[in-house]
Amino acid sequence: NAGVTQTPKFQVLKTGQSMTLQCAQDMNHEYMSWYRQDPGMGLRLIHYSVGAGITDQGEVPNGYNVSRSTTEDFPLRLLSAAPSQTSVYFCASSKGRGRNQPQHFGDGTRLSIL
Amino acid sequence: DAKTTQPNSMESNEEEPVHLPCNHSTISGTDYIHWYRQLPSQGPEYVIHGLTSNVNNRMASLAIAEDRKSSTLILHRATLRDAAVYYCILRDENYGGSQGNLIFGKGTKLSVKP
Repeated sequence: NAGVTQTPKFQVLKTGQSMTLQCAQDMNHEYMSWYRQDPGMGLRLIHYSVGAGITDQGEVPNGYNVSRSTTEDFPLRLLSAAPSQTSVYFCASSKGRGRNQPQHFGDGTRLSIL
Repeated sequence: DAKTTQPNSMESNEEEPVHLPCNHSTISGTDYIHWYRQLPSQGPEYVIHGLTSNVNNRMASLAIAEDRKSSTLILHRATLRDAAVYYCILRDENYGGSQGNLIFGKGTKLSVKP
């Protein structure tokens, strides 16, 4: 079972470059989200989506864009990379709404901005 | 926001039970208590969740205090593979409407000795 798939696993960018982190899930989950994790810290929510065509901001949205054109895919775009965006990025999905729905995470994208 | 307090680290011996505590004195009546763990270089993994009653699954047990101000994750026989950071999380509605999002703290780093 694929679950939540993130690509690439590693990426190095120069300041000012743009790129898209890919996230795909094959569980037909309505809810998807992006988190970032900095060294020694817990995860912080960047953006989330409750269904195709619907997105909203999380705790730390600045510098990132998202879109949700299909149920399966939820890409995260860095518009102009900055060193402060060096982090590990995790995508997650869950089935429907409700606070008792567990979230399924990908293995992360490790991003370095020089 | 409802917050949780966990010890920074704990140690256990292999094949012995482990009790991971979590305090959440400001929990609301409808907050679910979730536990996730994160193995090195992986995304978080759902462990268990509960509302009021104790819960058991194949991975662990969750014991919830009668006043719900604290809970304990119980690993019945720790293995080396259980070495991870364990997060105790209350679902928060602020960034997800009825879905709620996960707000991660720093968690408890569990070390398991052979």
